[in-house]
Amino acid sequence: QKEVEQNSGPLSVPEGAIASLNCTYSDRGSQSFFWYRQYSGKSPELIMFIYSNGDKEDGRFTAQLNKASQYVSLLIRDSQPSDSATYLCAVNGIDTGGFKTIFGAGTRLFVKA
Amino acid sequence: EAEVAQSPRYKITEKSQAVAFWCDPISGHATLYWYRQILGQGPELLVQFQDESVVDDSQLPKDRFSAERLKGVDSTLKIQPAELGDSAMYLCASRVTSLGDNEQFFGPGTRLTVL
Repeated sequence: QKEVEQNSGPLSVPEGAIASLNCTYSDRGSQSFFWYRQYSGKSPELIMFIYSNGDKEDGRFTAQLNKASQYVSLLIRDSQPSDSATYLCAVNGIDTGGFKTIFGAGTRLFVKA
Repeated sequence: EAEVAQSPRYKITEKSQAVAFWCDPISGHATLYWYRQILGQGPELLVQFQDESVVDDSQLPKDRFSAERLKGVDSTLKIQPAELGDSAMYLCASRVTSLGDNEQFFGPGTRLTVL
């Protein structure tokens, strides 16, 4: 059973701080990794994706991937109250029928003003 | 901007009744997914279509759930009969193709409450 694990939180950080969200996955054949943000009662929206080992930066967000450790993280710099949401880690791998995406349960982030 | 459309947005039904959800993916997206998301959990794949064909329905409770995408465009997910445990958000998503890495776009979801 392919799994994606996240700490459910809540992770609480003060406004302006760095929030660090972590995700581990079980399938070594996984090829691409996505971070989605989901506000309460809303559908997930893509923040970032990463395919290669190392860091990928987009504005205040940095995704980090370490395939040897089967670990992917999301850093949010200068956290804002509007960043308060659940962050879902999603992992793509080859399965029957093509790429299959498995989601983690999400980490709830709370940014205190 | 192109979006995935879903209806209804909210549905309240009594157990043993039938319910149906509709999804219209982004134009040109060959791959369509139906997910179920229970509060506090991540989305769980129910069924994946490539055009009009089902490529993965291993997690679909086939005794009560059915899904179709007859012309390879819009899709319907049906539950009959509904049970209390079916209360959840039902999300539809689409992507250009499942045969490469590309983003899934989610619709707004249908919130189902079974009484």
